[in-house]
Amino acid sequence: GQNIDQPTEMTATEGAIVQINCTYQTSGFNGLFWYQQHAGEAPTFLSYNVLDGLEEKGRFSSFLSRSKGYSYLLLKELQMKDSASYLCAVVDSNYQLIWGAGTKLIIKP
Amino acid sequence: EAQVTQNPRYLITVTGKKLTVTCSQNMNHEYMSWYRQDPGLGLRQIYYSMNVEVTDKGDVPEGYKVSRKEKRNFPLILESPSPNQTSLYFCASSYGLEGSEQFFGPGTRLTVL
Repeated sequence: GQNIDQPTEMTATEGAIVQINCTYQTSGFNGLFWYQQHAGEAPTFLSYNVLDGLEEKGRFSSFLSRSKGYSYLLLKELQMKDSASYLCAVVDSNYQLIWGAGTKLIIKP
Repeated sequence: EAQVTQNPRYLITVTGKKLTVTCSQNMNHEYMSWYRQDPGLGLRQIYYSMNVEVTDKGDVPEGYKVSRKEKRNFPLILESPSPNQTSLYFCASSYGLEGSEQFFGPGTRLTVL
C-alpha cells in the first residue's frame, strides 16, 4: 500500500528553527508538495520538490532525497503565525496525489 | 481575482436528503478534485477530473457523484447522505499535477444528522 508518515504534532519556540520530516512509500514518484493549513482554513502551497536537494524560499526550505523516500520542511525564525498544520503530499506513478495526515506545529512565545 | 469558490460553506442536513456542493474556478484549470478531511486522517481524495467530461474515482468515492460538464465547474453530489459523510470538504484545482500548485476552495463543513 501507499503510505506517508509525518509526526502528528511538534512544538517550537518563537524565533527558533524547526524541521518537519516526511517519509513516503508510494508506487512511483513524480514530485512532493508541502502545504500549510491554518485551523479551519484551506491548505495553501508552500513548496514542490522533484529533484534531490534543498529548495529555499525565504524563511522556508524543503529538502528531498528520493533514494531514501524522505523530505523535510525547515522553518527558520519562527513566528506565531507559523502555528498551523503542515501537509506533505506525493504524486505517485499514476499522477495521483497521496497526502500525509499532517503535522500540527505549535509555536510558543 | 483568481479563486476557487464553494457553496454552501456550512450545511446541516438529515440522512437521505440529496444535496449538491458546488465548486467553481476562474483560472482555466484542467484538473479539479474533491477531498474530505477528517481529524487524524488528513486529506482523502473523493473524485478528480483531468478535463471536461473526464472524471475518475479517488480513494473514497463511495456515496458520492461528480460531473464535469464545463471546465470551470465541478459539483459534488451526495444522493443519499449518511452520518459517516459528516466532514470538511475541499474542492481544488490546478493546471495539472506534476509541479502544479493546487488552489483550494474555502471548504464546506457538512453535518449529516
